[in-house]
Amino acid sequence: GDSVTQMEGPVTLSEEAFLTINCTYTATGYPSLFWYVQYPGEGLQLLLKATKADDKGSNKGFEATYRKETTSFHLEKGSVQVSDSAVYFCALSDQGNKLVFGAGTILRVKS
Amino acid sequence: KAGVTQTPRYLIKTRGQQVTLSCSPISGHRSVSWYQQTPGQGLQFLFEYFSETQRNKGNFPGRFSGRQFSNSRSEMNVSTLELGDSALYLCASSLKAVTNTGELFFGEGSRLTVL
Repeated sequence: GDSVTQMEGPVTLSEEAFLTINCTYTATGYPSLFWYVQYPGEGLQLLLKATKADDKGSNKGFEATYRKETTSFHLEKGSVQVSDSAVYFCALSDQGNKLVFGAGTILRVKS
Repeated sequence: KAGVTQTPRYLIKTRGQQVTLSCSPISGHRSVSWYQQTPGQGLQFLFEYFSETQRNKGNFPGRFSGRQFSNSRSEMNVSTLELGDSALYLCASSLKAVTNTGELFFGEGSRLTVL
């Protein structure tokens, strides 16, 4: 079945450092890809999405490009802030609103 | 506009009991999905309802069931509770039935502890 693998955390960075969180997927079809974020004490919220190969999703300085050839959707940000500390989930969907999530990566940003 | 509301936020049950969790979606949203979040298994899809019809179901035993009402509010029920059912149950609503044209809005969850 479909699956998502993302790098284990926690990832600890200093403020203004470059962030990469790796995400690869396995799917039989052509899924849509998502990054969701869970800030402390809050619900999951959509960070960005891409619906087809070579699409780039971006939001709040975060970017991810749908790479069909490497089945990847890595999350990047050029300069992280303390407020970016959260848990980041990579996810895919090829059946309506059924999302398959990765295990989540904890990001801690130190000032 | 109000977000997705889940009740109760916390509850404790004992093995063998049953539990009902409620979810009120964002006004105007007709799709409601349920997910189970545990430290060991992560986030797993339970089921999705759209216009009172179950559209999709995850790989959970029949003890897990749900329904959606005409006002789009949804409930999920777990019968004959087991220790392994302890989890955070998340509800998500969406305006559309397909995520690649919309997005899921999640509630803060109902945390169930089974003793």
